[in-house]
Formats: sequence, C-alpha cells, structure tokens
Amino acid sequence: AQTVTQSQPEMSVQEAETVTLSCTYDTSENNYYLFWYKQPPSRQMILVIRQEAYKQQNATENRFSVNFQKAAKSFSLKISDSQLGDTAMYFCAFMNFGNEKLTFGTGTRLTIIP
Amino acid sequence: GAVVSQHPSRVICKSGTSVKIECRSLDFQATTMFWYRQFPKQSLMLMATSNEGSKATYEQGVEKDKFLINHASLTLSTLTVTSAHPEDSSFYICSARTTRGSYEQYFGPGTRLTVT
Repeated sequence: AQTVTQSQPEMSVQEAETVTLSCTYDTSENNYYLFWYKQPPSRQMILVIRQEAYKQQNATENRFSVNFQKAAKSFSLKISDSQLGDTAMYFCAFMNFGNEKLTFGTGTRLTIIP
Repeated sequence: GAVVSQHPSRVICKSGTSVKIECRSLDFQATTMFWYRQFPKQSLMLMATSNEGSKATYEQGVEKDKFLINHASLTLSTLTVTSAHPEDSSFYICSARTTRGSYEQYFGPGTRLTVT
C-alpha cells in the first residue's frame, strides 16, 4: 500500500515571502501521479498542482511550483510571493497509474501572516 | 467547467434515523464517483468508489450496509447513512472523475453531518 507523509503539521510565513511544504511518499510503482490540494476554511478541495511521475520537468502553476525528486520519493510544494488567500490546509496526494484511488497525506496547515 | 455539488451542505439528524447525501456533477458526466470522510483536523479517508450502474466498492473497514451508495446515473451518486449514530458525525466529501482514462478528480463542497 502506498503511504504519503507530510512532516509539517503547521507552518506560518509572512505575506509575500516564499514557503515550501514537504511531502514524501512510498511506493514500489514506477508510473503514478502526485497532487497538491488546498482546502481553505470553506472546506472545498481545490487542486493546486499535479505532476506525472514520468515527466522529469517540475510542474509550475503561476506562484506554485513543485520539486519532484523521484529517486528520493519527494514532492515538495513551493509557494512564492505568498498571499493571505493562500491560508489553508494543504494535502499532498498520490495516485497509481491505472488505479483511480487517491491517497492523501495528513496535511499541513499554512497560515499567511499579514 | 467540472463543477460538483453536494446537497445538503449541513444536516442534523437524530440517532437511529437515516440521512441521504447527494453528489451531482453539474456540467460533465461522471463515470466514477468517490466518497470520502474527513474528521476534524484530519485528512480525507476514502470510503468507497462507485461506478455508474454497478455496485460500489468499499474500502476495508467501511460497513457497506451502513453506508449505502447508489450511482444510478452519470451525474448523480447518493450516500445514505443508515441508522446513524453520533460517531457517524463527520464531514463527507464526494468527488467525480470525468471519463474513463482521465485521472483528475473534482471535489464537491462537502456535507457536514451531525448526529444528536
């Protein structure tokens, strides 16, 4: 079974600063997908960014980028120029290719301080 | 596009009664829908996977007779919590996948169930 570990239960950073959230996972598979989801106080899950394991290039979505290290099974999320609206729970998630189930990490509560 | 709704957003029921939660894909056909449970300050735990027109597949430890899932159409799945007890109080979230072969899931806004 796959496991996803987020070792930072809570983080806080000043507005406009850069923050990196860590995520590691364990799998014996070679083809899979990785995701970062944001859950703001409204509880609505929002996809932030995704990475296909076969792609070597790190995914980027505006202020959000990942550092995907396949050999180390690490998938960190970097948020640049953080904004107050980034305050939320962030979940790292894993999905095997061909298996539609998502496995979530325990989450990191991120607070952006004005 | 890819909007998923849930109804109701909040529900309070008495112990021993049943409650139904609806999950709808508003602008796409969902061949597969997923039901998750989230306890306060915890992660999402997959309860079951439902495919349109077939029986749901439940995760280990989830009682299928207690959590009845029906996926009768390509846009609607329902979760019925039967004979609810206070320990069933939780936040229930559904998600939907657009078509076979697509891996992305779109999440509903969740339903908070409180059993008194």
